Amino acid sequence: QSVLTQPPSVSAAPGQTVTISCSGSSSNIAHNYVSWYQQLPGTAPKLVIYEDNLRPSGIPDRFSGSKSGTSATLGITGLQTGDEADYYCATWDTSLTTVLFGGGTKLTVL
Amino acid sequence: QLQLQESGPGLVKPSETLSLTCAVSGGSIRGSDSYWAWIRQPPGKGLEWIGSIHDRGSTYYNASLKSRVTVSVDTSKNQFSLRLTSVTAADTAVYYCARAPRDSSGYYLRSFDYWGQGTLVTASS
Repeated sequence: QSVLTQPPSVSAAPGQTVTISCSGSSSNIAHNYVSWYQQLPGTAPKLVIYEDNLRPSGIPDRFSGSKSGTSATLGITGLQTGDEADYYCATWDTSLTTVLFGGGTKLTVL
Repeated sequence: QLQLQESGPGLVKPSETLSLTCAVSGGSIRGSDSYWAWIRQPPGKGLEWIGSIHDRGSTYYNASLKSRVTVSVDTSKNQFSLRLTSVTAADTAVYYCARAPRDSSGYYLRSFDYWGQGTLVTASS
């Protein structure tokens, strides 16, 4: 069971908006930057959000990140079938001195 | 464009040692001021961080694996390596190498911006 909690799955129709939550604690999310990764089937994870809300070059602005207290959220607008993937949050835990990944959320675009 | 490529045996016998290398191209590990990481993913499961090494040699390890893991760096070959001893079937996974750059607050290991394609290692007799 992951220290960072994500919903196992979310779904939405093409063109709609979806959010994926990542819940942690004061020793991780609250005081450390959160990053998000997209993993398409059979491929390596890809960074889509870093430092809570910044997008790497080449990531469309349909992807956004936010954080409040001990929770972080990934938002995806204008959903496309190509967005179907597993999404993971990650951060550092200051007490455990370890990198944490969330358990992952499978996004289905209906 | 930075590229990372994992290499090593795809099959390891239980109780033996898993050894993988990550070759970095398109940039130098030396002077990168980044941590270089190993992350794994068992079939059908989520991501698990194994450990990381800074280009100057300091390391962090996952506490659950620390007694069995060594991450090392060879800046002359521009590569870093993973050694995992006493493997069991539970160590069967796709192993990824990745880079963790310093963030705007001066901290590391909050994000991984470049990843290798991954290599499947099966622990089986």
